[in-house]
Amino acid sequence: AQSVSQHNHHVILSEAASLELGCNYSYGGTVNLFWYVQYPGQHLQLLLKYFSGDPLVKGIKGFEAEFIKSKFSFNLRKPSVQWSDTAEYFCAVMIYNTDKLIFGTGTRLQVFP
Amino acid sequence: ETGVTQSPTHLIKTRGQQVTLRCSSQSGHNTVSWYQQALGQGPQFIFQYYREEENGRGNFPPRFSGLQFPNYSSELNVNALELDDSALYLCASSLWGNEQFFGPGTRLTVL
Repeated sequence: AQSVSQHNHHVILSEAASLELGCNYSYGGTVNLFWYVQYPGQHLQLLLKYFSGDPLVKGIKGFEAEFIKSKFSFNLRKPSVQWSDTAEYFCAVMIYNTDKLIFGTGTRLQVFP
Repeated sequence: ETGVTQSPTHLIKTRGQQVTLRCSSQSGHNTVSWYQQALGQGPQFIFQYYREEENGRGNFPPRFSGLQFPNYSSELNVNALELDDSALYLCASSLWGNEQFFGPGTRLTVL
């Protein structure tokens, strides 16, 4: 069965530190890739998405992610985090032509001033 | 704000009861997907409705059922509630094959 792994369950950083959250998936075919964020008390929001083209995608709030097909990975990065980035981050995969999202278990990010 | 609304916000039921959760999709969207998010886990796909027909189902028993209406709003029904059904239930609307926009969820507690 297809699955998504997020290896960092809880990450604690100070403001201005760099961030990289790992995401790997198990599926050999064509996929669409997403990162969603859930701020405290808010609903899931789309950070960025990859459908095709340039494997380096930029999203909102300075986030970016790189799709490395050979590694089945779609890691999320931000050069300098802010306290307001404190949230839960979910990686999700959509198998091409299914419209069904498969989520990872999430990474809780805490940023301290 | 995504334009996707869900009701109710919170719900408490007892084992064996039935529950109906509701979702209004974003204007212009024709697809509604339902997910279950247990505490500390990522959302799990329950099923999806496209133009009023079920269009894919995850690993959930038949006591989880749904409907989509002509205005593309949707209901999730769960019969014979079990303790493990306690979770946040998320509705997402989309144009099929595109990004999904999530509602705030309904928190269901089964006692």
